[in-house]
Amino acid sequence: QSVLTQPPSVSAAPGQKVTISCSGSSSSIGSNYVSWYQQLPGTAPKLLIYETNNRPSGIPDRFSASKSGTSATLDISGLQTGDEADYYCGTWDSSLRAHVFGGGTKLTVL
Amino acid sequence: QLQLQESGPGLVKPSETLSLTCTVSGDSITTTTYYWAWIRQPPGEGLEWIGSIFYTGATYYNPSLKSRVTISKDTSENQFSLRLSSVAAADTAVYYCARHATHGWCDYWGQGTLVAVSS
Repeated sequence: QSVLTQPPSVSAAPGQKVTISCSGSSSSIGSNYVSWYQQLPGTAPKLLIYETNNRPSGIPDRFSASKSGTSATLDISGLQTGDEADYYCGTWDSSLRAHVFGGGTKLTVL
Repeated sequence: QLQLQESGPGLVKPSETLSLTCTVSGDSITTTTYYWAWIRQPPGEGLEWIGSIFYTGATYYNPSLKSRVTISKDTSENQFSLRLSSVAAADTAVYYCARHATHGWCDYWGQGTLVAVSS
């Protein structure tokens, strides 16, 4: 059971937009930065978003994120087949005193 | 370009100690800006942070694993290591080493190494 809750799967057609949610608590998302990772099959996770809504160099602006209260969202627009992957949110939990991750969301581009 | 590479046995017997090393190139583990972490992923499951070490040698661990985990560093080799004692089948996972910022995001990851716990 992950500390952060994500939907197990989402799907959308190429060119469309999809939103992945990440629900936490006041001690996790509510009071700390959120990060997002993309994990392609058989590879290590790759940082997509840091400090809740910032993209590292090389990440296209099709990927954006935000936070409201104890929940965060990752938006992916202009979907491509190459975006099919597992997506994870992460943050620090001040109560648990641990870095925590969501259970992951599998994105299917139909 | 920063690179991290995990190394160690791919098979460990139950009740024994899992030992892995992460070799870092392209940056020094003595940097004052980043932490160095171990994260694992059981087959078909999500990510679990194990613990982190700072350049000072200060460590902090996942409370759920704290009693069994030790993370250390060797600055002369630019490596940091993980020891997980009393392993069981539930510790079977891909183990990743990573660099992370103070606020927690991991910007560089190793390719991961699969460690199976089995007799």
